[in-house]
Amino acid sequence: EVQLVETGGSLVQPGKSLKLTCATSGFTFSNAWMHWVRQSPEKQLEWVAQIKAKSNNYATYYAESVKGRFTISRDDSKSSVYLQMNSLKEEDTAIYYCTLLYGGYWGQGVMVTVSS
Amino acid sequence: DVVMTQTPVSLSLAIGQPASISCKSSQSLLGTSGKTFLNWILQRPGQSPKRLIYQVSKLYSEVPDRFSGSGSETEFTLKISRVEAEDLGVYYCWQGTHFPHAFGSGTKLEIK
Repeated sequence: EVQLVETGGSLVQPGKSLKLTCATSGFTFSNAWMHWVRQSPEKQLEWVAQIKAKSNNYATYYAESVKGRFTISRDDSKSSVYLQMNSLKEEDTAIYYCTLLYGGYWGQGVMVTVSS
Repeated sequence: DVVMTQTPVSLSLAIGQPASISCKSSQSLLGTSGKTFLNWILQRPGQSPKRLIYQVSKLYSEVPDRFSGSGSETEFTLKISRVEAEDLGVYYCWQGTHFPHAFGSGTKLEIK
């Protein structure tokens, strides 16, 4: 059974940093292309970032809204993917989902609230 | 960037009635591979999204065959032949052909 479990969500002040972790199981993580997708309080889904596998040189892609502030990374030895979020803004407030997007699997999501 | 437009915003249907949701993209979703990466997901109340359909019309194994998908290029449709109580929630289309990937704004299905 495929499982994706996000942790690290929190209430944080604007300008601060936060790191999300997604622990996975039930599939060959080292071959998987992983994504982060977020859902705003208005329920709009927004693709955030992708990281490909080692065979694709761990290529990464970002939404313009987070480029230069967020970094996606992975640790194949831990079957985990991460999202480092810096210079957070109030508009980054959302539920963040770790997803095996092309296979259709989503985690339960973790809440990130950016507010002073 | 590709913009995904879904209609209607909401549907209120009785059990057993058919449902139809439209999804239109601002650019063709036919990729250079010859495949069209238009997908549908369902988010039930209080849950994370669940997969339904990939590449326009292919159902995931666990999805009931009352669901179907069709379309090409820029116009796509999700149909439910007979709505059941468990089908309530918000349906989203999303495209994986172009970066950045993009989601529709959702169609809320309510059961009368």
